[in-house]
Amino acid sequence: LAKTTQPISMDSYEGQEVNITCSHNNIATNDYITWYQQFPSQGPRFIIQGYKTKVTNEVASLFIPADRKSSTLSLPRVSLSDTAVYYCLVGDGYNFNKFYFGSGTKLNVKP
Amino acid sequence: GAVVSQHPSWVICKSGTSVKIECRSLDFQATTMFWYRQFPKQSLMLMATSNEGSKATYEQGVEKDKFLINHASLTLSTLTVTSAHPEDSSFYICSARDSKAAKNTEAFFGQGTRLTVV
Repeated sequence: LAKTTQPISMDSYEGQEVNITCSHNNIATNDYITWYQQFPSQGPRFIIQGYKTKVTNEVASLFIPADRKSSTLSLPRVSLSDTAVYYCLVGDGYNFNKFYFGSGTKLNVKP
Repeated sequence: GAVVSQHPSWVICKSGTSVKIECRSLDFQATTMFWYRQFPKQSLMLMATSNEGSKATYEQGVEKDKFLINHASLTLSTLTVTSAHPEDSSFYICSARDSKAAKNTEAFFGQGTRLTVV
């Protein structure tokens, strides 16, 4: 069973910052939080991963509160090409990232 | 960066025939790979865990005799859909992580294989 809950869809406009929040109330001590992006008819693509606090890379930031029961993916200044489905996953690195996918969030970026 | 490659990208087969899909890790070794299935407008569903040198582990409700998995080397896992039927038409995706990397290393997904059974 999926361990995560996300909004089914979100709308945004080009140039805006988008924040997608994910709930994972039953996250285990060994679990990492990973976000993937998927375009139609393509495999998921890694965006960012974190364990606690804040992680930032060249494309996104990931905010994780102290209790780790939720996380927020932040996409700065989105463009039309960011229209995709975003999946929040929690995985145990000891199991080689065996993921059970939730519904994901369909982000629609409008001009 | 690490790449996982699937072949073929798409395949059309007749009902009753078998289809083999390959998943390769191109620049790392993977003792464990995962196979997923995705129907249109739905999320990915984990089908099975492919283990190098041993039997695959199937998720509940997935028929092991219909979806044969072989993981004969550290860089290759194959999924064979046997006696395919139209309801098996789907997008099949594999994933893998470098077995020698740190435990928090991300998993990489293949580009997917679109199977259409006619």
